[in-house]
Amino acid sequence: QVQLVQSGTEVKKPGASVKVSCRASGYTFTANYLHWVRQAPGQGLEWMGWINTESGGTNYAQKFQDGVTMTRDTSRSTAYMELTSLRSDDTAVYYCAREDGDSFGLDFWGQGTLVTVSS
Amino acid sequence: EIVLTQSPGTLSLSPGERATLSCRASQSIGSRYLAWYQQKPGQAPRLLIYAASSRATGIPDRFSGSGSGTDFTLTISRLEAEDFAVYYCQQYGSGLTFGGGTKVEIK
Repeated sequence: QVQLVQSGTEVKKPGASVKVSCRASGYTFTANYLHWVRQAPGQGLEWMGWINTESGGTNYAQKFQDGVTMTRDTSRSTAYMELTSLRSDDTAVYYCAREDGDSFGLDFWGQGTLVTVSS
Repeated sequence: EIVLTQSPGTLSLSPGERATLSCRASQSIGSRYLAWYQQKPGQAPRLLIYAASSRATGIPDRFSGSGSGTDFTLTISRLEAEDFAVYYCQQYGSGLTFGGGTKVEIK
């Protein structure tokens, strides 16, 4: 069965960076784009961007153009999202989600990784 | 960027009632690129509807989607206890954006 398993909770200081991983199993990793979506406490969903897991190409939301880097390691079936220059308003749960190439829906999601930014 | 506006913000209904959730886009989007998700507290979102009206795998038929252009609707025909949650629409026609969500709560 398809599973996306993310790395654990992170606590960072303002100005630091964080790298969250998303390990895929149960399907061919390079067959589907992976998206990253975040959710601040009590807030809605915010799309950050996607990575083409086959080519490594990326497309970031304009808001995150300067601060996010999405990469992947096909040998480990794992995608990574790194966010730099963290601020308190980056405190959120970060999700990876698989895009179904036929429906364009995000059909499988990781369990989420809480990143807390606090001095 | 296409902005999605969901209404109402909160819907208070009783089990067995019908729920009608609205999603309005700031510009026309292809129906193929409109999806709906359900999210319960502490859980990741779950895909309910894609291409505006197609149910995702395993989604009960009490959930239905409709609409085109700029106006889309998610309908839950008869609410069951497990349906009380937050619902988000999402477009993928130009970039990707989510609506602000509609909370369906027990009256």
